[in-house]
Amino acid sequence: QVQLQESGPGLVKPSETLSLTCTVSGGSISSYYWSWIRQPPGKGLEWIGYVYYTGTTNYNPSLKSRVTISLDTSKNQFSLKLNSVTAADTAVYFCARGSRELELRDFDPWGQGTLVTVSS
Amino acid sequence: DIQMTQSPSTLSASVGDRVTITCRASRSISSWLAWYQQKPGKAPKLLIYKASSLDSGVPSRFSGSRSGTEFTLTISSLQPDDFATYYCQQYNDYSPTTFGQGTKVEIK
Repeated sequence: QVQLQESGPGLVKPSETLSLTCTVSGGSISSYYWSWIRQPPGKGLEWIGYVYYTGTTNYNPSLKSRVTISLDTSKNQFSLKLNSVTAADTAVYFCARGSRELELRDFDPWGQGTLVTVSS
Repeated sequence: DIQMTQSPSTLSASVGDRVTITCRASRSISSWLAWYQQKPGKAPKLLIYKASSLDSGVPSRFSGSRSGTEFTLTISSLQPDDFATYYCQQYNDYSPTTFGQGTKVEIK
């Protein structure tokens, strides 16, 4: 059974770069789309972007200028970098997999999520 | 972006009630819609995909339907474990894929 686990700093200073890693266990990175999704405290879900197992990426236009998502197949991990953060980027960040091989669609499974707070 | 408008924002119901949540897309998304359940402090859990297909292991009291650009999640008989927040997601257009704002189902 595939499991995802987010890791990274829980506190980032304004104007700096938020960096998170998602480690995939119980399965391979191959043949799937891998996404980052965030949820500000008490609010709804926002898709940030995906990386395909080939390395192809696609980002939410609202964040595109600040986001990079990359893959490390040797470690079975993918990563998120969000630069020039502000308090508005404070959120729980989830990593998730596309539910079906080779298809862009819904998300399953998800990581447990990690809270990142932007504050000086 | 395709806007997903969920209603109601909050729903108060009792165990055993039939519950209906609606999600309306701002334009056609065919049947490319998923429903998720989220409990406090947890990740969302996929319930339904392609508007009406039940994900593996999801109780049969959950069902989904589509009428044009309006989608419905129905819980036929609300159980204590069902009190949670529910989100829809459209994946017809992945630039970007978008979620509804959520419906919180609380105890009446």
